Amino acid sequence: AQSVTQLDSHVSVSEGTPVLLRCNYSSSYSPSLFWYVQHPNKGLQLLLKYTSAATLVKGINGFEAEFKKSETSFHLTKPSAHMSDAAEYFCVVMGGYSTLTFGKGTMLLVSP
Amino acid sequence: NAGVMQNPRHLVRRRGQEARLRCSPMKGHSHVYWYRQLPEEGLKFMVYLQKENIIDESGMPKERFSAEFPKEGPSILRIQQVVRGDSAAYFCASSPPPTANTEAFFGQGTRLTVV
Repeated sequence: AQSVTQLDSHVSVSEGTPVLLRCNYSSSYSPSLFWYVQHPNKGLQLLLKYTSAATLVKGINGFEAEFKKSETSFHLTKPSAHMSDAAEYFCVVMGGYSTLTFGKGTMLLVSP
Repeated sequence: NAGVMQNPRHLVRRRGQEARLRCSPMKGHSHVYWYRQLPEEGLKFMVYLQKENIIDESGMPKERFSAEFPKEGPSILRIQQVVRGDSAAYFCASSPPPTANTEAFFGQGTRLTVV
């Protein structure tokens, strides 16, 4: 069985400052991990994925995430937030049959 | 190559009516997943289907909900006798036969409102 815990329900940053969205996972085997973004009333867009290749994964829009097995973490970062980054972000682990287990989401708020 | 298409985008039903949500997977994808997003929550897995076959329905409510993915045509998620608690966004995803690197592509979702 696998699970995902997103440690913050809301994160507020100022435009131009770094973003850190935290995620811890639990999996009984080597996991595949994803970050998805959902803008208001929109569908889900894949930001990046980790599938046991490089531990530092680069995604779209300047986001990246680092897989740390010792800490069972897969935190999402971006050096400089943009207003358009305001959205809800989901950390996701893939289980059997490629079914996805979602975290509860972190709402990122970006102020000018 | 069109993405995953869900329709309708918005659906309003009165309590007791039936809701039918459709999902056309990406071209070449033979596997479909349905997820439900309740307000203030993440997405919850409902059911995983291959054409003409339900692989995993462990997330489906025991009553009133059913899903199919026929040989021809879209996958259908059917909710009978809807209640207010069924109001949610329902997302469909599709993929090719899963491997270690399979990525699921999501549709825009259908937002069901029960009044």
